[in-house]
Amino acid sequence: DVIMTQSPLSLPVTLGQPASISCRSSQSLVYSDGNTYLNWFHQRPGQSPRRLIYKVSNRDSGVPDRFSGSGSGPDFTLKISRVEAEDVGVYYCMQDTHWPITFGQGTRLEIE
Amino acid sequence: QVQLVQSGAEVKNPGSSVKVSCKASGGTFNSYAISWVRQAPGQGLEWMGGIIPQFGTANYVQKFQGRLTIIADGSTSTAYMELSSLSSEDTAVYYCTGDPLGSCGGGTCFHFEFWGQGTLVTVSS
Repeated sequence: DVIMTQSPLSLPVTLGQPASISCRSSQSLVYSDGNTYLNWFHQRPGQSPRRLIYKVSNRDSGVPDRFSGSGSGPDFTLKISRVEAEDVGVYYCMQDTHWPITFGQGTRLEIE
Repeated sequence: QVQLVQSGAEVKNPGSSVKVSCKASGGTFNSYAISWVRQAPGQGLEWMGGIIPQFGTANYVQKFQGRLTIIADGSTSTAYMELSSLSSEDTAVYYCTGDPLGSCGGGTCFHFEFWGQGTLVTVSS
């Protein structure tokens, strides 16, 4: 299975400041169609996860533009340009290039 | 877009089975791929398997082969996940997810765009 390794595991951030989460894959995530199937999810406490980013850098509908994804493998990054209170929770990267689909262990973002 | 509503919390004895439902509305059921993801208390996300109702064949992660069954009922727009031989390690919130078939790519149609509210399954004697 592809191992997805996130860092840091805990991320204290001041409101209004930027934040960055890294994700490293144990294998290339480039599929034969040329796309890289790396996604980012956000889970607020007590809620279901929500997909933010798909195929590295595409924001899902309704996702604020302060969220951006980048990377070309094996390292990927989720950036928040200015953290807001609603951004607290756990962020997960996920690959769906290889079977089975696997997630990173999660990064907990908190406001300091 | 599709809305996914799951059945309520369950408490099960070790060795028994649990069946969780996921009813889709707001979209054409057969135009979606449905997956199941679970999350143990305080832990991360784990994909279990999925089904494309239009085709009816389910795919399972090897870890769950033999005790996981995923089915889809087009007449009620409902998908089901049944897990047998339960142990305390199966205590988790179980989520269904949905993806429009138009987003199939990367060798799979499971990309977890839409999520149900989750169903807590507690396995305890």
